[in-house]
Amino acid sequence: QVQLQESGPGLVKPSETLSLTCTVSGGSIRTYYWSWVRQPPGRGLEWVGYIEYSGSTNHNPSLKSRVTISMDTSKNQFSLKLTSVTAADTAVYYCATSLAYCGGDCYYDYWGQGTLVTVSS
Amino acid sequence: DIVMTQSPDSLAVSLGERATINCKSSQSILYSSNNKNYLAWYQHKPGQPPKLLVSWASARESGVPDRFSGSGSGTDFTLTISSLQAEDVAFYYCHQYYPYSSRTFGQGTKVEIK
Repeated sequence: QVQLQESGPGLVKPSETLSLTCTVSGGSIRTYYWSWVRQPPGRGLEWVGYIEYSGSTNHNPSLKSRVTISMDTSKNQFSLKLTSVTAADTAVYYCATSLAYCGGDCYYDYWGQGTLVTVSS
Repeated sequence: DIVMTQSPDSLAVSLGERATINCKSSQSILYSSNNKNYLAWYQHKPGQPPKLLVSWASARESGVPDRFSGSGSGTDFTLTISSLQAEDVAFYYCHQYYPYSSRTFGQGTKVEIK
């Protein structure tokens, strides 16, 4: 059974960088796709991006070049960095995975519990 | 981007009655190479991560009650709860994962008890 757990600061100042890590157990990140999804308060789910088992990435174009997703196979972790954050980046951030190949990530059958990141001075 | 539009935004249904949620994509998410619709449905309750109910438009996940069913093809999809139970109160989202596209979710539908 694959399990995911997000970790990182719950408060980030405007213009700074949001950094989160997802630790994976019960499965190897050397296979499939590993994704980030967020939900701003009172709003719906938004796809942030994914990293593929090979290390290639894809992200939501609305986030422009602010997003970096990376992986550390030695720790079985993948990470999200979002630069130049504003209040609009305040959200619950989930890491998720789909143990399938769909020309990118698929449906998400495993999710972390989510972590709230607030952008505020 | 493929835009996913759900209707209605909210829905109040009596216990034991049918709830129907629609999801329309701005372009077809039926992949001709394998004749599969790249659409999933999730149930989301406050304080919990979303739960996958249906993948490939109509494949119910293991352990999901059979009162939940997905249907549709191309651009028009439906999630049906055949007999609403109290524990089904939640937000429901459709999600497209069409190959080589940016993934998108519908805006969500809130289901409540009438």
